[in-house]
Parts: sequence; structure tokens; C-alpha cells
Amino acid sequence: IAGITQAPTSQILAAGRRMTLRCTQDMRHNAMYWYRQDLGLGLRLIHYSNTAGTTGKGEVPDGYSVSRANTDDFPLTLASAVPSQTSVYFCASRKGAGNTEAFFGQGTRLTVV
Amino acid sequence: AQKITQTQPGMFVQEKEAVTLDCTYDTSDQSYGLFWYKQPSSGEMIFLIYQGSYDEQNATEGRYSLNFQKARKSANLVISASQLGDSAMYFCAMREGRGATNKLIFGTGTLLAVQP
Repeated sequence: IAGITQAPTSQILAAGRRMTLRCTQDMRHNAMYWYRQDLGLGLRLIHYSNTAGTTGKGEVPDGYSVSRANTDDFPLTLASAVPSQTSVYFCASRKGAGNTEAFFGQGTRLTVV
Repeated sequence: AQKITQTQPGMFVQEKEAVTLDCTYDTSDQSYGLFWYKQPSSGEMIFLIYQGSYDEQNATEGRYSLNFQKARKSANLVISASQLGDSAMYFCAMREGRGATNKLIFGTGTLLAVQP
């Protein structure tokens, strides 16, 4: 089934540990995004990529890094997790840079303790 | 400064009535797009409706319509004949930027509760 998949669905992580959230899409979408969702703050853009090989910083990039080695995958890495990174993380993709809607993964619930 | 502003953290509406969810945006781009998404309690993000900055007519999708007022930089979502299943969080989003800086940003959301 075509779509966008995130892994893991949930994780409890010790502070200071390194963690990579995985995101894969099979729709050949050029643009991909990572958001974090926190109560009262909506979805905030962490990093984005408009094509393989390029990435950009969003609204809240500090403490996170991404890579886009190919069209399908867009992993998000927390180099040294902190409790303030406890959140629900959503990956999304869009066909191109135009006005097409974004498709979302099911989310990853991350708790940093 | 907030690029997307949703001033209503929460709203109630009676079943079968219409409700308007407010969204204002800030951009200097001439070309941009506005989107509304629904997030039910199960957590998935569901695309509802889209409006392009050059579209002259307001977008409609079934019971959803987008009241686009370009001069006021507002893109309010109107839900007609509310149903219990419309109870959810609603997010307004904007596509802005060009080329490598093109991105999609969201507001803080409005929690809608439909009462029987």
C-alpha cells in the first residue's frame, strides 16, 4: 500500500542517548518534512527537504539533524536527546514544491527521560 | 512573528449548525497555498481543503469551504451542518517560499467539539 511510514511508533529514551526516527515514502514525492507536535503549540517544522540531496532548517531545528540521501527516506536524528524533545513527531511528504497537499505518517511518540 | 495564526484554541458548535474556524497568515510571497487539516483523537492528519493565492473563487469540498480574503490575509474554514464526527483538532497551514526554501508551516490549531 502506497504511503508514508514512520518507525518506531513509540519510544522511551534515556537523556543523552542518540536516536534516529525513520521515515520512508513510496510515492516518489520530492518534498519531505519533519514536525513536532506539542500541546498548545501545534505542529512546528523541524527540518525539510525539497529534493534528494538538499535539506533546510525549519522553525525549531536545534538538537536535530536530517539527511536526504535518496527520494524515499528522510531520517531525523537526535544526537543527544533531552527531555524537552519529548513530543509526537510527524513525517510528511508532498509531490513537489507547488500547492499539492502533504501526506503524513502515523507519528512517533518519543519520551525522553 | 507567527506566520500562521489560529486565535481560537477551542470551540463548541451544536450538531447540524455551521461553524467558522479562523486562520490568518503572514507572508510576503505572491504565490502561496493555504491548507486545512483535521486531526481526530486517533492522531492521524487528514487533508480537508486547499486554496491557492491566485485562485479567485473560494475552495469548496463537500461540507467544507474556505473563506479566502486575500487583502485581510485570512483563510477561514467553514464547516456546514456539523456532525459529531467533526469533533477534532483543525490545523491551518501555508505553503510558502520558492525553490529550495519552499516549505509548509502550520498554526497552533483549534479544537472543535460538536455537541448533540
